[in-house]
Amino acid sequence: DAKTTQPTSMDCAEGRAANLPCNHSTISGNEYVYWYRQIHSQGPQYIIHGLKNNETNEMASLIITEDRKSSTLILPHATLRDTAVYYCIVRSHNNAGNMLTFGGGTRLMVKP
Amino acid sequence: DTAVSQTPKYLVTQMGNDKSIKCEQNLGHDTMYWYKQDSKKFLKIMFSYNNKELIINETVPNRFSPKSPDKAHLNLHINSLELGDSAVYFCATRTSGSSYNEQFFGPGTRLTVL
Repeated sequence: DAKTTQPTSMDCAEGRAANLPCNHSTISGNEYVYWYRQIHSQGPQYIIHGLKNNETNEMASLIITEDRKSSTLILPHATLRDTAVYYCIVRSHNNAGNMLTFGGGTRLMVKP
Repeated sequence: DTAVSQTPKYLVTQMGNDKSIKCEQNLGHDTMYWYKQDSKKFLKIMFSYNNKELIINETVPNRFSPKSPDKAHLNLHINSLELGDSAVYFCATRTSGSSYNEQFFGPGTRLTVL
């Protein structure tokens, strides 16, 4: 699976959009971009995933650049409960066992 | 109803002991995983298991073994516990019928080896 690079930490004001970048310059054509988050003392939680097109669900939006070398997770109206570590993961769907490889992630602090 | 549950939540034990952590899921998923999150917060896959095959991360010592009494459970057995085994262990599940890789995680078990 391709390696990802994320900023170690970010701050966001409550109610504002949180934009979390991820660099995956070595991504290959059959690899998807997944985002998970881990709130303190909880297990990771799936947020969203995409291949080429931008995606949106009830939690977030995922913007993938045309060359697919980077992406941005957008939380449109961050709340204090969105404070968590956000992980960007790149993997193909035929990965043996479908195991996830987590990097260091971005620690997002939403402030009042 | 908790989708993925783990017991115990906390486990404190002595070096050299053998212990088990239990994972139960009520999602009807056929694939289960164990992850280890160490003190530096890195989350690492240990095992992937479904009723057909077990895939082991090559870095996992053979003191660790997953055992599945039925499709709803995947327990983690650890023999001869070492200080370095102290970590939070997460169970996760997924359905192989899904075209994508949404995994559902349990709340974690914090293991402390003294």
